[in-house]
Amino acid sequence: EAGVTQFPSHSVIEKGQTVTLRCDPISGHDNLYWYRRVMGKEIKFLLHFVKESKQDESGMPNNRFLAERTGGTYSTLKVQPAELEDSGVYFCASSQDRIAGGSYEQYFGPGTRLTVT
Amino acid sequence: QKEVEQDPGPLSVPEGAIVSLNCTYSNSAFQYFMWYRQYSRKGPELLMYTYSSGNKEDGRFTAQVDKSSKYISLFIRDSQPSDSATYLCAMRLLYGGATNKLIFGTGTLLAVQP
Repeated sequence: EAGVTQFPSHSVIEKGQTVTLRCDPISGHDNLYWYRRVMGKEIKFLLHFVKESKQDESGMPNNRFLAERTGGTYSTLKVQPAELEDSGVYFCASSQDRIAGGSYEQYFGPGTRLTVT
Repeated sequence: QKEVEQDPGPLSVPEGAIVSLNCTYSNSAFQYFMWYRQYSRKGPELLMYTYSSGNKEDGRFTAQVDKSSKYISLFIRDSQPSDSATYLCAMRLLYGGATNKLIFGTGTLLAVQP
């Protein structure tokens, strides 16, 4: 079974540009999460999808960040326009539905390293 | 004040040593406690999780939760060079609540020397 995949693995953009990160969760996982780690800080939650609906977006830093999950499969996270403080590693995770017999475990992807110059 | 505090290390031990990793937290509503291992340039991988207080053992790993002290620990016995990684504690509220989000510590970098 394929794990969570993320694309690209690394992106370098200039301040003011737009970047779109993609996450493909494990097949059958209804829950999809985005997290971010800024250098020197802890991994922080951004938002949580259940299928195509946003369950919790309390961690989204501002309206320059837009997350979508059309059709309840893969998700994209767009940053527009990017600022220097957006640099960091963006992780995606997915999990099954607990009620359907799934576990609590959130499976993480390898992350996308975003550098804004 | 951060919700979860974790000593970032680095922690260097000789092969075969017992390693103790710890986190403290401030939110008494946390119910699930997890330890993730992260190798360089990889995503976090769940090692163990514990519900509420108590101990849980899995091979060379033991997780302990003391809710009265808001303190969790991970012990690694007979440490191996392959255990060298960053260890992250994470916590969440009760499942079925408003959120599934994980709250992470900063991670402790562990190096096991051969």
